[in-house]
Amino acid sequence: ETGVTQSPTHLIKTRGQQVTLRCSSQSGHNTVSWYQQALGQGPQFIFQYYREEENGRGNFPPRFSGLQFPNYSSELNVNALELDDSALYLCASSLISRGDEQFFGPGTRLTVL
Amino acid sequence: AQTVTQSQPEMSVQEAETVTLSCTYDTSESDYYLFWYKQPPSRQMILVIRQEAYKQQNATENRFSVNFQKAAKSFSLKISDSQLGDAAMYFCASTNFGNEKLTFGTGTRLTIIP
Repeated sequence: ETGVTQSPTHLIKTRGQQVTLRCSSQSGHNTVSWYQQALGQGPQFIFQYYREEENGRGNFPPRFSGLQFPNYSSELNVNALELDDSALYLCASSLISRGDEQFFGPGTRLTVL
Repeated sequence: AQTVTQSQPEMSVQEAETVTLSCTYDTSESDYYLFWYKQPPSRQMILVIRQEAYKQQNATENRFSVNFQKAAKSFSLKISDSQLGDAAMYFCASTNFGNEKLTFGTGTRLTIIP
């Protein structure tokens, strides 16, 4: 059974640029959630995708957008990067959209200069 | 809206001893789940233990157990026989049934003293 993977591991961008982060779900999972974890803080929910549709969104501006593909992999896109977007971005997948355990990937560390 | 509060930024414990990490939460829902996640320096969030709110019995996973006080909205984690590999950030989290957004606390850094 393959776990949740994320790419890239680290990324450095400059303010105003755009970035795409990728996540491959654990085999058989149909739900993907994205979280932002600033340094020294707990993760904050960005949004969730269930069967390719957005299924809930946290308090993040529209420049944070996502996609889920038929194979249940997912992308997080952030436009017009700001310094405060520097964080660890975590992807989590689960099988059923009912509070089941979410399995986390190792995260992508994004630094915005 | 749900909130989760962890009031202990750091804790330390001697190896083989027992430590308890505190967590309080607030929710207006009747059906919800509570979790403790461990995040070692490798950054990968690992589920330690899970509690369904409708179950009165406290969850237990080997050396890890919880004290779930529903009326007090308290959900503490007890680690028995602490091991060096238990050193990590521990996050308490909650989610409502049917809404899988996890709400996390700010975490407790646990240090194990050899």
